[in-house]
Amino acid sequence: DAKTTQPTSMDCAEGRAANLPCNHSTISGNEYVYWYRQIHSQGPQYIIHGLKNNETNEMASLIITEDRKSSTLILPHATLRDTAVYYCIVRVVRNQGGKLIFGQGTELSVKP
Amino acid sequence: ETGVTQTPRHLVMGMTNKKSLKCEQHLGHNAMYWYKQSAKKPLELMFVYSLEERVENNSVPSRFSPECPNSSHLFLHLHTLQPEDSALYLCASSQELGQGNYGYTFGSGTRLTVV
Repeated sequence: DAKTTQPTSMDCAEGRAANLPCNHSTISGNEYVYWYRQIHSQGPQYIIHGLKNNETNEMASLIITEDRKSSTLILPHATLRDTAVYYCIVRVVRNQGGKLIFGQGTELSVKP
Repeated sequence: ETGVTQTPRHLVMGMTNKKSLKCEQHLGHNAMYWYKQSAKKPLELMFVYSLEERVENNSVPSRFSPECPNSSHLFLHLHTLQPEDSALYLCASSQELGQGNYGYTFGSGTRLTVV
C-alpha cells in the first residue's frame, strides 16, 4: 500500500472549517483514500473514503486532486469534540487483500 | 456502541500470568483484526483473520496467541508477557472479499498493563 504524508499537528478555532491535508504521491490506480480519527485512548473511527471523486457525508468532505496525489479532509464546522488524531490511509480494497496500515496522523486541536 | 465489543476494558497482569482478551462483533463482518498501540506510536497490525482463517501474522512474538473460533469472536491469549507489551490492544472487523462497505469498525480497546 502507498505511504502517506501528513502534518504532525494542526490547530483550528471552534466553529471554523478544519482542512487536513494528506500527500499520497505514490498512490496506485486501485487504491482508495481513507480517513479515520482517534479520540484519545479510544478506537479509531471511520470518517470517509474515496477513489477519485470528491465525497461528502454527515461527518466531513473529502477532496481528492485530479492526479490523486493528494487529498484534503474538511470538517466544515469544527467543534471541541473533533479534537483527535486524524489518519489518512491509502488502501487496496476488495479481495486484493488490502490492509489498514496506520501512520503517525495529524493531531488536530480545536480551540475555543 | 460501535458494534465491536472488547473485554475487559482494563487489565493488569504479572509477567507470569496467563490472560485472554476477547472481541465480539455484531455486524456480520467476515474479517477481524488485532492491533497494538503503544504510547506515542502508530497502531501496529498484529493479526488478520479472514473467514476464520489466519491470513497474516506480522512477526508477533509467540507469547501472543490469537484464536478465532467463529466469524463473530476473536481472542488474544497472553502468557509470560514483558513490561514493554503494555499498550492499548484494539480489535477491528470489516466486510472483505467483495461485499459492502470496506471500512473497519474498531472496538474501544483493552488497556493492558504488565507489571
